[in-house]
Amino acid sequence: DAGITQSPRHKVTETGTPVTLRCHQTENHRYMYWYRQDPGHGLRLIHYSYGVKDTDKGEVSDGYSVSRSKTEDFLLTLESATSSQTSVYFCAISEGPYSPQYFGPGTRLLVL
Amino acid sequence: QKEVEQDPGPLSVPEGAIVSLNCTYSNSAFQYFMWYRQYSRKGPELLMYTYSSGNKEDGRFTAQVDKSSKYISLFIRDSQPSDSATYLCAMTSSTGNQFYFGTGTSLTVIP
Repeated sequence: DAGITQSPRHKVTETGTPVTLRCHQTENHRYMYWYRQDPGHGLRLIHYSYGVKDTDKGEVSDGYSVSRSKTEDFLLTLESATSSQTSVYFCAISEGPYSPQYFGPGTRLLVL
Repeated sequence: QKEVEQDPGPLSVPEGAIVSLNCTYSNSAFQYFMWYRQYSRKGPELLMYTYSSGNKEDGRFTAQVDKSSKYISLFIRDSQPSDSATYLCAMTSSTGNQFYFGTGTSLTVIP
């Protein structure tokens, strides 16, 4: 398995609070991604990074920000969590933009 | 119209059957294709990665791409109960900035 960990694995928070999810890789892959997975929608890209401090938006980026200060870490922040952000969040890594993507174990987030 | 369409199933087959899972897409520029298996409450696991058209085989799994029909398939031979999972397809073009995922097909293999 690709060396990808996500923390926390589960989180319950209240509406309006900030939340940060962390993705850590040991593969030295250049690309890192944050997805959310919801019933009926499948996996949708939130943000991705193509290098340290290089990030771009995906199709569902509103309400989310990201940061990547080191190759191995990619952080996803919900500035002010809303109930619509209740979801399962997956991090993925790849060597290049068209290369296979390898996923982490996921973080289950519940916003009350 | 969604970029990628995938029948959600559920699909239920007896052990040993040949399973066919399919995705259709609308963007003729797509040329990189992936299939994932996802067990309940786990992350997606990469099964197959193919470029352009043709077939690719790996053990009991065969991925097939028909670009003229904008249709991809994953075949599972001699299906096992351990194959029970949700299968996701994903694809992109050489000018795209993201892979587009299908919503997944739920498969149950009955012993």
